[in-house]
Amino acid sequence: EAGVAQSPRYKIIEKRQSVAFWCNPISGHATLYWYQQILGQGPKLLIQFQNNGVVDDSQLPKDRFSAERLKGVDSTLKIQPAKLEDSAVYLCASSFGARGFGETQYFGPGTRLLVL
Amino acid sequence: AQKVTQAQTEISVVEKEDVTLDCVYETRDTTYYLFWYKQPPSGELVFLIRRNSFDEQNEISGRYSWNFQKSTSSFNFTITASQVVDSAVYFCALSGGTGNQFYFGTGTSLTVIP
Repeated sequence: EAGVAQSPRYKIIEKRQSVAFWCNPISGHATLYWYQQILGQGPKLLIQFQNNGVVDDSQLPKDRFSAERLKGVDSTLKIQPAKLEDSAVYLCASSFGARGFGETQYFGPGTRLLVL
Repeated sequence: AQKVTQAQTEISVVEKEDVTLDCVYETRDTTYYLFWYKQPPSGELVFLIRRNSFDEQNEISGRYSWNFQKSTSSFNFTITASQVVDSAVYFCALSGGTGNQFYFGTGTSLTVIP
């Protein structure tokens, strides 16, 4: 079974530019998550989708970050404009059920973003 | 509030030694789940174990074992006879409340020296 796919794996941009990340969850998984992992820290949830609806986006900096999950499958996370402090690894994860609670999340390889 | 503390930032052991990674959590929920993940240098978080709050039975899987103690709010992870391939950052995570947001600790970086 294929795992969570993410692209690109690496991205270098200058501040104030925009960038987009793509994630394709494990087939059949209803719930999709985007995390930000700053160097030396644990991942922090940015947004959680259940099918194509948002469950939790309380920690998403909505002035510059946006995310969508059209058709309830793959998802895109965008940053516009990027700031230096956005340099991090962006991890996508998915879990099977729509209920979500307590389910194991399976993570993709992440996208390493460097903002210069 | 949900919180996970991994007090050990970095640990180095010589191959074949046993090592225990500590995890202490805080939650007001009576139902919650605890997880351990391994993050090798490639960056992907690899799932190791899931435990719910009602199951305090310890678990062993090969060289890995987990000790869950609700009385001390701890969920510690032991690697027996460590190997170089065990070198990675290990994260403990807590899922509580109504959603499935994971609260991660800051991770413990384990280096196994050959």
